[in-house]
Amino acid sequence: GESVGLHLPTLSVQEGDNSIINCAYSNSASDYFIWYKQESGKGPQFIIDIRSNMDKRQGQRVTVLLNKTVKHLSLQIAATQPGDSAVYFCADWSSSASKIIFGSGTRLSIRP
Amino acid sequence: DAGVIQSPRHEVTEMGQEVTLRCKPISGHDYLFWYRQTMMRGLELLIYFNNNVPIDDSGMPEDRFSAKMPNASFSTLKIQPSEPRDSAVYFCASSLGPGGGYGYTFGSGTRLTVV
Repeated sequence: GESVGLHLPTLSVQEGDNSIINCAYSNSASDYFIWYKQESGKGPQFIIDIRSNMDKRQGQRVTVLLNKTVKHLSLQIAATQPGDSAVYFCADWSSSASKIIFGSGTRLSIRP
Repeated sequence: DAGVIQSPRHEVTEMGQEVTLRCKPISGHDYLFWYRQTMMRGLELLIYFNNNVPIDDSGMPEDRFSAKMPNASFSTLKIQPSEPRDSAVYFCASSLGPGGGYGYTFGSGTRLTVV
């Protein structure tokens, strides 16, 4: 079965606010956690990843937080824009499995 | 770079027919992945190749599915015979590594409808 899963299927956020997308995982042996964005009619697009020995990693307008104690991963998007509307997937990778396993996805919608 | 190129974008076929999906990975990427996406099962890894060699095909549903990578710039996923439950979006992705710090670049997918 899947080793990663998402708390909520949909998230609605006011434009300009920060978005937080959450993800739970079960595989303690995961070496990397990755976030992908999928817009309608397109393939998933890599956003950011974090190695399992890190707690936080920042990118452009995005931050990923990893809490290994409770096996929780989150993606924070600052100043959400209409272009952020998409489905967001968390995924994990372990050297033993050597493949990326995707979670079920959260749809982010932006209110004007 | 044109990215990962998949063809066709849409395919509608009748049950029992053979279907061939095609993929051209990014030049220099040694890894190629085939995923299937459905509402019920999400994104599932079917098979992946390293340097044209199939490494893990544990996700291939059954013998009706086969994948080949005759050279570094081309791969096919074939379904024979096709069934309605094969209807899905099939994605090809390529990467410099198997994961773990190497992000996968996905193509735009092939939407397959089997009637």
